[in-house]
Amino acid sequence: GQSLEQPSEVTAVEGAIVQINCTYQTSGFYGLSWYQQHDGGAPTFLSYNALDGLEETGRFSSFLSRSDSYGYLLLQELQMKDSASYFCAALTGANNLFFGTGTRLTVIP
Amino acid sequence: NAGVMQNPRHLVRRRGQEARLRCSPVKGHSHVYWYRQLPEEGLKFMVYLQKENIIDESGMPKERFSAEFPKEGPSILRIQQVVRGDSAAYFCASSPDSRYTEAFFGQGTRLTVV
Repeated sequence: GQSLEQPSEVTAVEGAIVQINCTYQTSGFYGLSWYQQHDGGAPTFLSYNALDGLEETGRFSSFLSRSDSYGYLLLQELQMKDSASYFCAALTGANNLFFGTGTRLTVIP
Repeated sequence: NAGVMQNPRHLVRRRGQEARLRCSPVKGHSHVYWYRQLPEEGLKFMVYLQKENIIDESGMPKERFSAEFPKEGPSILRIQQVVRGDSAAYFCASSPDSRYTEAFFGQGTRLTVV
């Protein structure tokens, strides 16, 4: 079956850096995506890694290691508006996007 | 340039009634995906459709649930004889092709069964 594991909650201070990890186990794997979801809102796309290494998009970076079935999302210069749930999602061989259980990030002053 | 449109945003149904959830994908997108999200949980894949075809329904319960994406009109997720456990947020996503790296999500339909 498919499974993606993430920490359920993370708390960090405004202005700091936080890393959200994701380990996955899927049948067929094309890449790892990250989505942000504010309470009551729709998931919005943040990044996608098809190859090993780090992808940087502004304050957000995402990393993938295929050999370790592991990735992470790195958020820098945290702002209060970054408080949200963050989901990793694996694009599998069946062309489906399977989501992790989500990490609820709380940014405190 | 409208994004994915879902309606209704909120739907209340009594046990045993039918719920019909609609999803209009981004213009030009021919691939639609439905997900269910329970409170405080992640998004669970339900079904993947292309125009007039169900590609993968492995995440959909075998009974009471059905989905379609006709040649014309929105995609419909239908839940017959709803039960309390069907209460959840149902999200639709669309993409322009089958190997999507970025899915565009609608705002979801929040179904409450009373």
